[in-house]
Amino acid sequence: EAGVAQSPRYKIIEKRQSVAFWCNPISGHATLYWYQQILGQGPKLLIQFQNNGVVDDSQLPKDRFSAERLKGVDSTLKIQPAKLEDSAVYLCASSFLYSYTFGSGTRLTVV
Amino acid sequence: ELKVEQNPLFLSMQEGKNYTIYCNYSTTSDRLYWYRQDPGKSLESLFVLLSNGAVKQEGRLMASLDTKARLSTLHITAAVHDLSATYFCAVDPINTGTASKLTFGTGTRLQVTL
Repeated sequence: EAGVAQSPRYKIIEKRQSVAFWCNPISGHATLYWYQQILGQGPKLLIQFQNNGVVDDSQLPKDRFSAERLKGVDSTLKIQPAKLEDSAVYLCASSFLYSYTFGSGTRLTVV
Repeated sequence: ELKVEQNPLFLSMQEGKNYTIYCNYSTTSDRLYWYRQDPGKSLESLFVLLSNGAVKQEGRLMASLDTKARLSTLHITAAVHDLSATYFCAVDPINTGTASKLTFGTGTRLQVTL
């Protein structure tokens, strides 16, 4: 089966600019997650969707981060404006029952 | 807030030696996951442990889960250089009534030397 697709793989932007990441989960997986992984740390959950509804966004910096999942399939994560501390890998994952599958991630560098 | 702690954070070991990575977590759960991450790569699923006393083995790696102690171990037998990577445990606190999601540990960076 196809995996979780993410794009772009890499992005370099200047601080205060905006950026968007895209994720296409595994077909049939109702739950989708966005994680932020700062270098040297474990992934941290930013937001969780069940179909197209938000289940948990308690750790999403809502003043600058936003996410949506239209039609319960693809999802986009946006940062506006970006800060230096947003430099990280952004991982998308989807799940079904006990199985979680992670995408390859988008590596964001804010300069 | 669920806390997941791993130790050691960094492990340098010689080829052929055995060692154990520990994962402690702060809430009740019987779902524990182990992942491997190579530099610049995504997360590769190693083991899914779904009950107290669960033990799974793949090659030189063996994982176990003690839900009463809130502890999982990843044991490495006769390490080889190819096992060099960062290993993460992750807990799904489904038993607390919250929605299913993974909380990750701090990671253990394993370096196997000749």
